[in-house]
Amino acid sequence: KAGVTQTPRYLIKTRGQQVTLSCSPISGHRSVSWYQQTPGQGLQFLFEYFSETQRNKGNFPGRFSGRQFSNSRSEMNVSTLELGDSALYLCASSIGGSSYEQYFGPGTRLTVT
Amino acid sequence: GQQLNQSPQSMFIQEGEDVSMNCTSSSIFNTWLWYKQDPGEGPVLLIALYKAGELTSNGRLTAQFGITRKDSFLNISASIPSDVGIYFCAGPWGGADGLTFGKGTHLIIQP
Repeated sequence: KAGVTQTPRYLIKTRGQQVTLSCSPISGHRSVSWYQQTPGQGLQFLFEYFSETQRNKGNFPGRFSGRQFSNSRSEMNVSTLELGDSALYLCASSIGGSSYEQYFGPGTRLTVT
Repeated sequence: GQQLNQSPQSMFIQEGEDVSMNCTSSSIFNTWLWYKQDPGEGPVLLIALYKAGELTSNGRLTAQFGITRKDSFLNISASIPSDVGIYFCAGPWGGADGLTFGKGTHLIIQP
């Protein structure tokens, strides 16, 4: 099976712009979670989608949003970018249900200047 | 939010040595996961633990779910150069499906 894929791998944006990141989960996985990874804060949970519905949300401002499509692919959007949004954004997929085993993609490295 | 404390923060070892690291929490976890992350890549799931006291192996890696449910341990036997990386413990907290991660143990192997 192909693993989790994320596009783009690298992105440079200017403060105030918005950005959309894409994630394709492992075939058959219905749950997609997003995480932000920074040197200072480590890995932090953003939100999780299952069957096109957001089930859980971490402690991030409303500028961070996401959605999931009927084929389980997911996108996350960050509006009005701030310098502090520079990070590695990771997507993880799991079968869903009672399984907590999440499989991560390679991430999108976002740099905000 | 809930914090997972990993120790040590970094380890400098010789190739061939055994490695031990642990993860502790002030709250009970019902699942413990161990991941390894290489530079520029996403974390890779190594071992998942679901029962208190459970001991699970994956090749040279062995992980244990502490009986108090507030800790977990990861051991690597006979380390090799490709074991270099950052090891994270993680678990679901508060019934949410999002994982809480520790800050990681950075493993460095000296030839």
